[in-house]
Amino acid sequence: DAEITQSPRHKITETGRQVTLACHQTWNHNNMFWYRQDLGHGLRLIHYSYGVHDTNKGEVSDGYSVSRSNTEDLPLTLESAASSQTSVYFCASSKGLAGEDTQYFGPGTRLTVL
Amino acid sequence: AQKVTQAQTEISVVEKEDVTLDCVYETRDTTYYLFWYKQPPSGELVFLIRRNSFDEQNEISGRYSWNFQKSTSSFNFTITASQVVDSAVYFCALIRGSNYKLTFGKGTLLTVNP
Repeated sequence: DAEITQSPRHKITETGRQVTLACHQTWNHNNMFWYRQDLGHGLRLIHYSYGVHDTNKGEVSDGYSVSRSNTEDLPLTLESAASSQTSVYFCASSKGLAGEDTQYFGPGTRLTVL
Repeated sequence: AQKVTQAQTEISVVEKEDVTLDCVYETRDTTYYLFWYKQPPSGELVFLIRRNSFDEQNEISGRYSWNFQKSTSSFNFTITASQVVDSAVYFCALIRGSNYKLTFGKGTLLTVNP
């Protein structure tokens, strides 16, 4: 069955280290998204991509980067991890045009920055 | 700007009670899409329903029903005869027009007690 996966599921790192979170989908969806979830804030969009080699900033993009070299993967990199980036990170994907198509979410990655 | 408000932070009910989760949205677009997602204690985000702005028909799926009213900018979610397995955080979300970005409410924590 087609699916969306994230790895690792849990990660503990230290302040200042570079961290990459993986997201892989097998639906052949054009659109991929990264969100973070924090208490009191709900889910907020970090970065998104409409296709290969396309990336765009979301509302909380500072300190994060993404690259899209193929359809299936959108890795999220924290260039220099900060304690404020401790959060649960969700990747999502959707196939087609804007809101006409539903975003489906991966299982999440819990990141702790010490 | 678009906004989704879920005024109920937490709701607690006893099994078999009916419960309604409120969602109020703001957008200037005439074309938009509304969503509900469920996040059970296991943490994943599960898609429940998508509704576009041109379809105000209420929808029923088993014990779940949704009431979309453009006049009050609301998209409320009712669970009939609640069960313990319904305990979760429920998120309402909005995509406007040709935009791909989901704007989430802050969620409502529903606890169904036996």
